[in-house]
Amino acid sequence: AQKVTQAQTEISVVEKEDVTLDCVYETRDTTYYLFWYKQPPSGELVFLIRRNSFDEQNEISGRYSWNFQKSTSSFNFTITASQVVDSAVYFCALNNAGNMLTFGGGTRLMVKP
Amino acid sequence: DVKVTQSSRYLVKRTGEKVFLECVQDMDHENMFWYRQDPGLGLRLIYFSYDVKMKEKGDIPEGYSVSREKKERFSLILESASTNQTSMYLCASSLLGRSAEAFFGQGTRLTVV
Repeated sequence: AQKVTQAQTEISVVEKEDVTLDCVYETRDTTYYLFWYKQPPSGELVFLIRRNSFDEQNEISGRYSWNFQKSTSSFNFTITASQVVDSAVYFCALNNAGNMLTFGGGTRLMVKP
Repeated sequence: DVKVTQSSRYLVKRTGEKVFLECVQDMDHENMFWYRQDPGLGLRLIYFSYDVKMKEKGDIPEGYSVSREKKERFSLILESASTNQTSMYLCASSLLGRSAEAFFGQGTRLTVV
């Protein structure tokens, strides 16, 4: 069985603050993929990043960065210098076998001006 | 521009009605999915299909059925709508394989009264 936990249901920050969204996963497989998606108020989930279980290099894309730590089964997402447009629900997801993505409960991020 | 299109953005139905939610993708993807999104529960998989006329149950299939007669179209059917099926329904599609990212539609907010 696979499971994804996002313990933070809601986070509120002021613009320009850094914020980290936590994601912890459970799987018995050695090969799997982790994903982050963003769901803005419009509703459509947007793919942000994919990571495979053999690649523990951290990744940075502009203000976004991801920290994958296999030892703690975590795949955390940091937004640096947050902006109001970052306000959304963010989902972490896992795909280990077959074709099914398992999602976490999501974290609602509110960035206030 | 890749697209997953859901037939309705908002829908209001009466208890006991048979409800059809339609989803079309234009990316020639093998996989198609129906998820249900509820606050705090994230996205839960109802059904998915990896080929025409093929379907697999997800985590919460009870009260739902699906149909995939053509590769590009995946329908979710609520046989007899109930108030506990009031929710946001999200359709997605992807290529085969655990590394494949899923592309999502804009969602259908269904209210059963």
